[in-house]
Amino acid sequence: AQKVTQAQTEISVVEKEDVTLDCVYETRDTTYYLFWYKQPPSGELVFLIRRNSFDEQNEISGRYSWNFQKSTSSFNFTITASQVVDSAVYFCALPNTGNQFYFGTGTSLTVIP
Amino acid sequence: ETGVTQSPTHLIKTRGQQVTLRCSSQSGHNTVSWYQQALGQGPQFIFQYYREEENGRGNFPPRFSGLQFPNYSSELNVNALELDDSALYLCASSLARGGGQETQYFGPGTRLLVL
Repeated sequence: AQKVTQAQTEISVVEKEDVTLDCVYETRDTTYYLFWYKQPPSGELVFLIRRNSFDEQNEISGRYSWNFQKSTSSFNFTITASQVVDSAVYFCALPNTGNQFYFGTGTSLTVIP
Repeated sequence: ETGVTQSPTHLIKTRGQQVTLRCSSQSGHNTVSWYQQALGQGPQFIFQYYREEENGRGNFPPRFSGLQFPNYSSELNVNALELDDSALYLCASSLARGGGQETQYFGPGTRLLVL
C-alpha cells in the first residue's frame, strides 16, 4: 500500500519569505504519480501540481517549484515570496494504480503579514 | 472552481441515525471517489465508483455505502451513525484511465456533526 509522510505539522513564515514543504513517500509501484493539494479554511482541496516518477527534472511554475528525488523518495514543494493568501493546509498525495489517493497528514502553513 | 458540487454543506445528526450525502461530478468525468477527513487529519479513502459500480473500497465498515447514477453523480450513505463519523466528507471526480495518473478534483465537502 502507498504511504505518505509529512513530518512538518505547522510552519509559520513572514510574508515574502520562501518556504519548503516536505513530503516522503513509500510505494512498491515502479511508476507512479505524486500530487500536492492546498486546503484553505473553506475546506475544498485545490489541486496544485502533479508529477510522474519517470521524470526527475525539477520544475517551476510561477511562485511554485518542486524537487522530486526518487533516490530519497521525497517530493518537496516550495513557495517563493510567500503571500498571506498562501496560508492553508498543504497535502501531499500518492495514488495507487486504481487512482485511489493516499494523503499525508498535511502541513499547516501560516504566512504572517 | 472545479465544477464538483456537494450537498448539503453542513449537517447535524444524532447517534444511530442515517445520513445521505450527494455529489455531482465535473462534466465529462465518469469516476467519483469519496473521502472522510477527520479534524487535523488527511483525507481517508472510503470508496470509488466507476460507471455505477463500486471500484475499490478503503478500510470502512459496510454501514458506509454508496451509489452512482447514470449521469455520474453519486451518493454516500452512512447508517447507524457513530460519534466518530463526525468529519468533513469530500467527493472527488476524475476520469478512470487507470495507472494512478488521473488528477482528482474535489468538491467543497459536507461537514457532518454527530451528537
